Amino acid sequence: GAVVSQHPSRVICKSGTSVKIECRSLDFQATTMFWYRQFPKQSLMLMATSNEGSKATYEQGVEKDKFLINHASLTLSTLTVTSAHPEDSSFYICSARGADSPLHFGNGTRLTVT
Amino acid sequence: DQQVKQNSPSLSVQEGRISILNCDYTNSMFDYFLWYKKYPAEGPTFLISISSIKDKNEDGRFTVFLNKSAKHLSLHIVPSQPGDSAVYFCAASSTTRGGADGLTFGKGTHLIIQP
Repeated sequence: GAVVSQHPSRVICKSGTSVKIECRSLDFQATTMFWYRQFPKQSLMLMATSNEGSKATYEQGVEKDKFLINHASLTLSTLTVTSAHPEDSSFYICSARGADSPLHFGNGTRLTVT
Repeated sequence: DQQVKQNSPSLSVQEGRISILNCDYTNSMFDYFLWYKKYPAEGPTFLISISSIKDKNEDGRFTVFLNKSAKHLSLHIVPSQPGDSAVYFCAASSTTRGGADGLTFGKGTHLIIQP
C-alpha cells in the first residue's frame, strides 16, 4: 500500500488564489521531505527540501515566497502555491525519507490554474 | 546543465526479451543511484538502487549495472512483461552531503513492451 499520501490529486483554481497541497508519511517518520515539480516530458525538478521543525531549503530559481513549505510534524509537510498563475500549472510531487530507506513518493498533484 | 541524462526518450521491446535502459551522469559527487518506475498521473515507484561501491545489483527480473569510470548505469529487465510498460527515471544523489539531498532525475525513458 501507499506509504506516502499526497492530497489532493487534482486541483483547479482561479488565477490569484492560493492552493495547499499536503504530503503525509503513513507508517514512518519522515525527517526529510522533498517537493518536486514536473513539466510535460521533463524530469522531476527538485523545488525544495523540508526538514521537520526548520525552514525549508529552496533550490536556485524557486521563489520561496510563492511556494510556501511547512513541515510541522514528522508525518506532514505542506506546499502552498500562493497567488497562483497559469504558469504555475504543473504536476507537483512530494517524497519522504525515513531512516535508512529510499525515498517514497506521493502520487502527485495535478494543479491547473485558469 | 543536466547532470543525469537519459538519452532515449522511448524504447520499444518485445515481450519476453531483455529491456536495457541507459543513464549517464556528469557529477562525480554522485555515489548513490536509483531507478524509479512511473505510470501516468502517479508518483514514481522505487525499483532498485545501487551504491557506488558496487558495480551490480540484482533483484528478481531487475538488474542495475554501474560503470563508475564511464559514469554510466543501466537497468536490465529480463524477461520483459507487458506490465513493465511505463516511464523509467534514473536518479542520483550524493550521500557524502549527509544524505539530505533530494534526488537529481533524468528525463525518463518511456518503455513500451509489445506483445
